[in-house]
Amino acid sequence: AQKVTQAQTEISVVEKEDVTLDCVYETRDTTYYLFWYKQPPSGELVFLIRRNSFDEQNEISGRYSWNFQKSTSSFNFTITASQVVDSAVYFCALSGRGGSQGNLIFGKGTKLSVKP
Amino acid sequence: SQTIHQWPATLVQPVGSPLSLECTVEGTSNPNLYWYRQAAGRGLQLLFYSVGIGQISSEVPQNLSASRPQDRQFILSSKKLLLSDSGFYLCAWRLPSGAGYNEQFFGPGTRLTVL
Repeated sequence: AQKVTQAQTEISVVEKEDVTLDCVYETRDTTYYLFWYKQPPSGELVFLIRRNSFDEQNEISGRYSWNFQKSTSSFNFTITASQVVDSAVYFCALSGRGGSQGNLIFGKGTKLSVKP
Repeated sequence: SQTIHQWPATLVQPVGSPLSLECTVEGTSNPNLYWYRQAAGRGLQLLFYSVGIGQISSEVPQNLSASRPQDRQFILSSKKLLLSDSGFYLCAWRLPSGAGYNEQFFGPGTRLTVL
């Protein structure tokens, strides 16, 4: 069975602090994909990144970076120099290769509050 | 580019009334379509998904139903709403199986309150 665990329910930081959101996954698939989504207060889920199981390279996009480690089944998300606009609920998700396995399995989300 | 629309944005309905939420996608063909519900302060629950016209898979048995009358139209319905149907309903699309990497793109959502 596939499962995504986001152990941090809520995190509160002060602006300019760095923050890491944890994501641990379980799957028996050898080919799978991992995702991060952001849900701001408006409600719409915004796609941030996708990684496939063959590519363990870390990725950086501006203040955002992602650390994918197959050895620990983790796909953590770090925001550097956080800003108030980063306040949102962040979801980690997993999917298998295709068919119903291609559906996303979401974690329960981590609510990030960045205070000025 | 692709866009996804949902309406209405907000809805307040009495218990026992019918429901119809609509989702349409533009700029792509034969997408996979999804309905999710998010209860207040909670995670996402997949309700239905569709890989083509008239093809609906239900993930959770309940008093809701879904239909896909056209390639890029997905409708969520209920004959009689329950209090527990309150929540934030999100529609999503993705490329057909095998055509992409499975990421889904979400609409703006409908906030439903059942009183």
